[in-house]
Order: sequence, then structure tokens, then C-alpha cells
Amino acid sequence: NSKVIQTPRYLVKGQGQKAKMRCIPEKGHPVVFWYQQNKNNEFKFLINFQNQEVLQQIDMTEKRFSAECPSNSPCSLEIQSSEAGDSALYLCASSRVDWVNQDTQYFGPGTRLLVL
Amino acid sequence: GDSVTQTEGLVTLTEGLPVMLNCTYQTIYSNPFLFWYVQHLNESPRLLLKSFTDNKRTEHQGFHATLHKSSSSFHLQKSSAQLSDSALYYCALRGYNQGKLIFGQGTKLSIKP
Repeated sequence: NSKVIQTPRYLVKGQGQKAKMRCIPEKGHPVVFWYQQNKNNEFKFLINFQNQEVLQQIDMTEKRFSAECPSNSPCSLEIQSSEAGDSALYLCASSRVDWVNQDTQYFGPGTRLLVL
Repeated sequence: GDSVTQTEGLVTLTEGLPVMLNCTYQTIYSNPFLFWYVQHLNESPRLLLKSFTDNKRTEHQGFHATLHKSSSSFHLQKSSAQLSDSALYYCALRGYNQGKLIFGQGTKLSIKP
């Protein structure tokens, strides 16, 4: 069972408001991923980190989305100015870095964002 | 770029019948990792199977899949469906040394009594 912790579980914002969600990866997992699962259940990769460093991110996250994984603090994903189309389930996943195990990503319960 | 295709959006079966969910992929990498994740209602995705070895069957919880690089396929099978198997099933690809997962569109498996 995954031990990735995500808070809050539900988030309701008005358009234009900031929305911030947090993730604590499994202990011993330095790699953290954020995915967006929309209402059609489609997944979109947003960004990933190894420790505090960004490894990959898509264009979307370079504009209204920002994310960080500071040392000794939860990782976070923030939407600066929420839009209705941002309504989705935001999933955080973590993994190890050794070659054998780095492939398996363990998902948290998600933060369900509703932008009114 | 990399992609994963799951041709069935919805599969409805009667309990006890065999299950087969299709997954094909495209990637430039010669050694991709392939995964099946299962997502039950209101839950997060959970790893069901994974493989990176060509032509080797991998099994877990009654499900099995074999990665066939020659046909770029990683179909999920089970000999006898159970009611509790009703869920969304996602096939996913991770290219060599690429961290992110590329998910297919998902297949909703619905098992009827």
C-alpha cells in the first residue's frame, strides 16, 4: 500500500484564485511526480523532482503552475490563477532511484480541485 | 513522441469469464518499462503489473501480461473475472531513463454477476 500523503483531499476555489496542494512522498523516495487526471480520467504529467531539483516539466507548468520540493518540507503544487479547466484530480507519486526500483511509482490519494 | 493505446474504453463481462485488455505502445526506446495500474472508484492508481523483459510473463493477483517488443504490446489477462475486478485499468509506458509515465486512455472493466 502506498504511503504517499496528499493534502487537502478536496479543494474548492473561485476562478482567478490561488490553489495550493501538498504532497509528502514515501520515506526513502527522493523522486516526486505530479499528474493531473481530468474528468475523462485522462492522465497528464505535469512535473517531477529529484530531491529539490526539477527533472522534467511540461509547458503548462511553466506558466500558471508552480511546484517545489524543499528539503525537510512537503512538496507543493500551486496554481496561481485557477481556471475552470483546472478542475481535476491532482495525483502525487513517488519512487526510488536505484535502477531496479526506480520504475515503480506509488500514488497518493490525490487532491480533487474544483474551480467554480 | 511516446504513446500508449488502449482500444477498449469499456469492457463488460460476466463473472467467471476470461479477461483480456489490450495495450499497444510506441516509443523510440529499445528497452521501455510497461505497467498496468488499476484504479478502483474514488481511489488512487495502484500498480498491478510491470515488465521490461521481452517475452517474459509477469503475474500478480491472478492477472498476467507478457511484454512483446516485436508487436509493441502488453495485454492484460485473467482467466476468470471476479466482481471485485471492476475498476479502471491503465496501461503505462516509461521510456529508458525517462521518469514520467505515459498513460493510455484507460479501460473501464465492469464485471456483472
